[in-house]
Amino acid sequence: NAGVMQNPRHLVRRRGQEARLRCSPMKGHSHVYWYRQLPEEGLKFMVYLQKENIIDESGMPKERFSAEFPKEGPSILRIQQVVRGDSAAYFCASSPKDFYEQYFGPGTRLTVT
Amino acid sequence: AQSVTQLDSQVPVFEEAPVELRCNYSSSVSVYLFWYVQYPNQGLQLLLKYLSGSTLVKSINGFEAEFNKSQTSFHLRKPSVHISDTAEYFCAVSEGTGKLIFGQGTTLQVKP
Repeated sequence: NAGVMQNPRHLVRRRGQEARLRCSPMKGHSHVYWYRQLPEEGLKFMVYLQKENIIDESGMPKERFSAEFPKEGPSILRIQQVVRGDSAAYFCASSPKDFYEQYFGPGTRLTVT
Repeated sequence: AQSVTQLDSQVPVFEEAPVELRCNYSSSVSVYLFWYVQYPNQGLQLLLKYLSGSTLVKSINGFEAEFNKSQTSFHLRKPSVHISDTAEYFCAVSEGTGKLIFGQGTTLQVKP
């Protein structure tokens, strides 16, 4: 059973460009979570999604960030008009239920130049 | 509000010595507790979990953690560490709403 997959692993964007991060959950998992890890900080929750639904987006910045988990295909975290402060590692996790353990992907390291 | 405090940002220890990484949480409801380990430039791996039942939980590689409800703690221990245990360790709590709240992390540095 393949684990959580994220791509790309590394992404470099110039200020003002768009970044798209993809996450494929583990087989059989229908719940996806996105977290951000800034340098020298712990992980911060961003958003919790089920298929075609956003369950909790309390950690998402109000502007420029959006997430989706369509019926078919991976979950997408989209950052529009990136700024240097968006440089971080973005981790996706999945679970079969919303309150059991979450399994993490390897992360996407976004660098904004 | 829910929060997690890892009391030590760095813990240096010699190989084969015991170690304890401390974690305290605050919550007004019942919680689920987790320890994750992160090796350099990698994702997080689940190390231990407390969901219910026995308050002492153990991993396959010798770590254990004890849930203490009165102290609101979930400290991680290992009686004898190896060089390969060098990593960052994160304590996390969930109130069953889906999201995990993480502590700031503790870097365990095992010296030969």
